[in-house]
Amino acid sequence: SQTIHQWPATLVQPVGSPLSLECTVEGTSNPNLYWYRQAAGRGLQLLFYSVGIGQISSEVPQNLSASRPQDRQFILSSKKLLLSDSGFYLCAWSEDSNQPQHFGDGTRLSIL
Amino acid sequence: QQPVQSPQAVILREGEDAVINCSSSKALYSVHWYRQKHGEAPVFLMILLKGGEQKGHEKISASFNEKKQQSSLYLTASQLSYSGTYFCGTEIYRFGNEKLTFGTGTRLTIIP
Repeated sequence: SQTIHQWPATLVQPVGSPLSLECTVEGTSNPNLYWYRQAAGRGLQLLFYSVGIGQISSEVPQNLSASRPQDRQFILSSKKLLLSDSGFYLCAWSEDSNQPQHFGDGTRLSIL
Repeated sequence: QQPVQSPQAVILREGEDAVINCSSSKALYSVHWYRQKHGEAPVFLMILLKGGEQKGHEKISASFNEKKQQSSLYLTASQLSYSGTYFCGTEIYRFGNEKLTFGTGTRLTIIP
């Protein structure tokens, strides 16, 4: 069966520090991969999605970037975090856009 | 564009029914429904594809009216476990579009 792993679960970072969140999927090949951010009490904002290795689509201009170095690995990065980057970050995968998206447990990021 | 969900929040007693609506300003290829409990990741409920189909999942069902560009989620004889925030995710007609746009959510609270 397929599983998705996302880490860390919680992260507290100072303003201006770098960020790296990692997501890996097991049990499938060539999945669509997604990064979302959710502010407290708000909806899901799509940040990036990828349909294959090295193919990244950015939805919201910001100081975040994403990479897909391997088929089932998706990384969210930032060189310098802002206070506004705080939130709940969720990675998800699907076989296709009209298939269910399966979410990781999320990373709760707090910027101080 | 982000689909509009209504109502924003609803409180029900156990056993009562609820309807959550999701409307889009654009023609839709599919509608996904997810439920998110507080502090957890969203969980997939169902997908409806264009064609006006209706689907059921235990006591939760949904319809998709392609002409009206809207979907409705029906929860009958609600249980305490149904509490959470419900999100619709919409996919517009696709030509290389592999993403969902999620609504702002409907918070459902079931009380004994």
